[in-house]
Amino acid sequence: GQQLNQSPQSMFIQEGEDVSMNCTSSSIFNTWLWYKQEPGEGPVLLIALYKAGELTSNGRLTAQFGITRKDSFLNISASIPSDVGIYFCAGQSSNTGKLIFGQGTTLQVKP
Amino acid sequence: DVKVTQSSRYLVKRTGEKVFLECVQDMDHENMFWYRQDPGLGLRLIYFSYDVKMKEKGDIPEGYSVSREKKERFSLILESASTNQTSMYLCASEVNTEAFFGQGTRLTVV
Repeated sequence: GQQLNQSPQSMFIQEGEDVSMNCTSSSIFNTWLWYKQEPGEGPVLLIALYKAGELTSNGRLTAQFGITRKDSFLNISASIPSDVGIYFCAGQSSNTGKLIFGQGTTLQVKP
Repeated sequence: DVKVTQSSRYLVKRTGEKVFLECVQDMDHENMFWYRQDPGLGLRLIYFSYDVKMKEKGDIPEGYSVSREKKERFSLILESASTNQTSMYLCASEVNTEAFFGQGTRLTVV
């Protein structure tokens, strides 16, 4: 089936550093979503992207829908300890209409 | 705010038991999903439903079944639990391609 490749798999950074993660696919997606999952909780939607080239911010988070519609990135600026968690990308397949999730990026922030 | 509630946060069941995981959403969404989450594998779709009494297999339906008798409730059933079904189970409801998740049920089968 279709797959999303999310990288990096994990990151361990110092508080205050910027973070960047991305997702790529060999297929075209109509929508890109970014979620954050804190320990013991379900994923929470951070940013939704609907158009190729779209760049959207939510506080210190910025995400972009790639021009080719096959990739997306998420940046977190000036990380803080509460940014820890697992970040998932998800894309809505143009073929099936289903949401497909990346494997997740585990972020740890050292105070 | 959308609220998706899963009936249990933690469950421990014995091999061979029949297990029911319940999920309720309060936003009248038609689309509901069950995923399992395992380290390094992300979220894998087990079953989904686009309407009452309708169900479709996802990517890993083996060993599971579902029930959707009412629009707000989507149940996942493990007919005979096995140790390889130990996992985090996440229910979601969806509108306009945006999925909203419950808090998850961590199931351990011993």
